[in-house]
Amino acid sequence: GIQVEQSPPDLILQEGANSTLRCNFSDSVNNLQWFHQNPWGQLINLFYIPSGTKQNGRLSATTVATERYSLLYISSSQTTDSGVYFCAVPPVSGTYKYIFGTGTRLKVLA
Amino acid sequence: GAVVSQHPSRVICKSGTSVKIECRSLDFQATTMFWYRQFPKQSLMLMATSNEGSKATYEQGVEKDKFLINHASLTLSTLTVTSAHPEDSSFYICSAKGQPTNYGYTFGSGTRLTVV
Repeated sequence: GIQVEQSPPDLILQEGANSTLRCNFSDSVNNLQWFHQNPWGQLINLFYIPSGTKQNGRLSATTVATERYSLLYISSSQTTDSGVYFCAVPPVSGTYKYIFGTGTRLKVLA
Repeated sequence: GAVVSQHPSRVICKSGTSVKIECRSLDFQATTMFWYRQFPKQSLMLMATSNEGSKATYEQGVEKDKFLINHASLTLSTLTVTSAHPEDSSFYICSAKGQPTNYGYTFGSGTRLTVV
């Protein structure tokens, strides 16, 4: 089945720093989402981005489907950005049966 | 926007008892709901897919008799962990696919189950 790998697995930043998180997937997909899981476990949908680039405030994401990767950019990081970031892709075209990546655990220090 | 409500947020139960977790779509009809399980510091693993009015589809390795899923209406899916054991302790999260589908999943807030 499809493999979804994220890097780096862990990341520690000083408040105000920028970072780039990467998501690689092993097969063609037509759908991808980025999520933030906060320290209480709540999953927040960040981006639905099957291709191209989207921006939302300090966050932006780019998916290059032909090269099977997606990037999540966090600028001017804040302590509230701490948590785990997951990308998720569906293994079968046209379904929402998502497979989650391995996750990047981010800690932003004040 | 679409909201999925999941209850309870935390539950502690004794070994051998059963626990029911509810997942409700509050402002949309969820034709399909998904149940995930997450162990500490691990990713989310899909357990099963439930479709309103039909039997759930379980992922390989998930015991259907242990994790009973019922999706009796377009706004409610339940997961019952039967005869719970300490190894069932985990974080369970539901998600829903509603209409329109342009925005992908909407997730519940999760349930932390501890079996003692």
